[in-house]
Amino acid sequence: QKEVEQDPGPLSVPEGAIVSLNCTYSNSAFQYFMWYRQYSRKGPELLMYTYSSGNKEDGRFTAQVDKSSKYISLFIRDSQPSDSATYLCAMSEDSGYALNFGKGTSLLVTP
Amino acid sequence: GAGVSQSPSNKVTEKGKDVELRCDPISGHTALYWYRQSLGQGLEFLIYFQGNSAPDKSGLPSDRFSAERTGGSVSTLTIQRTQQEDSAVYLCASSPGRYYEQYFGPGTRLTVT
Repeated sequence: QKEVEQDPGPLSVPEGAIVSLNCTYSNSAFQYFMWYRQYSRKGPELLMYTYSSGNKEDGRFTAQVDKSSKYISLFIRDSQPSDSATYLCAMSEDSGYALNFGKGTSLLVTP
Repeated sequence: GAGVSQSPSNKVTEKGKDVELRCDPISGHTALYWYRQSLGQGLEFLIYFQGNSAPDKSGLPSDRFSAERTGGSVSTLTIQRTQQEDSAVYLCASSPGRYYEQYFGPGTRLTVT
């Protein structure tokens, strides 16, 4: 069993919809939780990071961490066609530098 | 400012040949990482450099893989006697010391024929 599980999708939504992306994990030592966006044939781009449990908001993006359930989410409000990409969750322990990635969820936002 | 750059962007090589992949991190970033992204797989950690400390090579899949970082800046990942299973996108990242804040380059797409 991989430490980080992520549904690969694809997930297709109409423009303007609220998107929910999720990951589960098994390692209770994970403390940092990151979301990356990766466009086709590009490197991953860091969107947000969160430490421990709680919520964090940045513009149209909200990250949530529920450590009791070992479950993290990324919400995208008012989704745009330009949000179409693969979204990767990543996690690390407190002093861990090697990020543990999910396989990514492919998102398509249709006009 | 300039991001992480990698070269070449694409590399096609024959099985058994050696290849070198280059990474230029963001200026001032002390930490540098290499990851591998294979089709259908998540990113897999390969190696980590921090300043002048000895690198953490625990993620390298075999002794055919090696990496060095010169002058605390540019890094080269070398794969000797390439195999078809080495075909993947090799991604380099750098960070200013906060491990959770890693910035990735565009990657080198390696195809072994």
